[in-house]
Amino acid sequence: ETGVTQTPRHLVMGMTNKKSLKCEQHLGHNAMYWYKQSAKKPLELMFVYNFKEQTENNSVPSRFSPECPNSSHLFLHLHTLQPEDSALYLCASSQDASGTGEQYFGPGTRLTVT
Amino acid sequence: QKEVEQNSGPLSVPEGAIASLNCTYSDRGSQSFFWYRQYSGKSPELIMFIYSNGDKEDGRFTAQLNKASQYVSLLIRDSQPSDSATYLCAVTKYNFNKFYFGSGTKLNVKP
Repeated sequence: ETGVTQTPRHLVMGMTNKKSLKCEQHLGHNAMYWYKQSAKKPLELMFVYNFKEQTENNSVPSRFSPECPNSSHLFLHLHTLQPEDSALYLCASSQDASGTGEQYFGPGTRLTVT
Repeated sequence: QKEVEQNSGPLSVPEGAIASLNCTYSDRGSQSFFWYRQYSGKSPELIMFIYSNGDKEDGRFTAQLNKASQYVSLLIRDSQPSDSATYLCAVTKYNFNKFYFGSGTKLNVKP
């Protein structure tokens, strides 16, 4: 595996379900990010982890819960979501979170909440 | 005021022409600038980054940065139908965690 991988690629869940999104980066980076991309909206930064520590929570509702067990893996735990949470969820990584390095994105998870 | 602004387009150019995509940003402290290409249904793919005023060329792509005027542009020479995509501009500051993305400009290259 190379680059940034995400699983699953597609997910349909009911509002009462609990599911998790997984991201893994094989680039030796130390910073990882979750973004939400809704139709016709800019990318919305959700969370930032730098060296496994959460450094940014962009006012994300508590029904989204991130977890970063190490610099290579990032999870997004989902529970009691709303239909408006349906979107493309993108994971990205960069060398660190200093803002000087480029971010590389995974393929995304297309989430549909029914 | 949005951090990063882009014309949503679509911008239509004929095959072989130069496509010019523009982006303005609001924070004068911004230091790093990135262009991403996103095909429909796919994730953003990094095309170029630029840190210093002036031009930076990579193949058919040229990024131009003017910090005094707070704009960054992307020129695509000899445009191909495969260049048809949405182009995202991203801006960040040193020691800040956030990448600010524009809404993107949709480019259509017509054969």
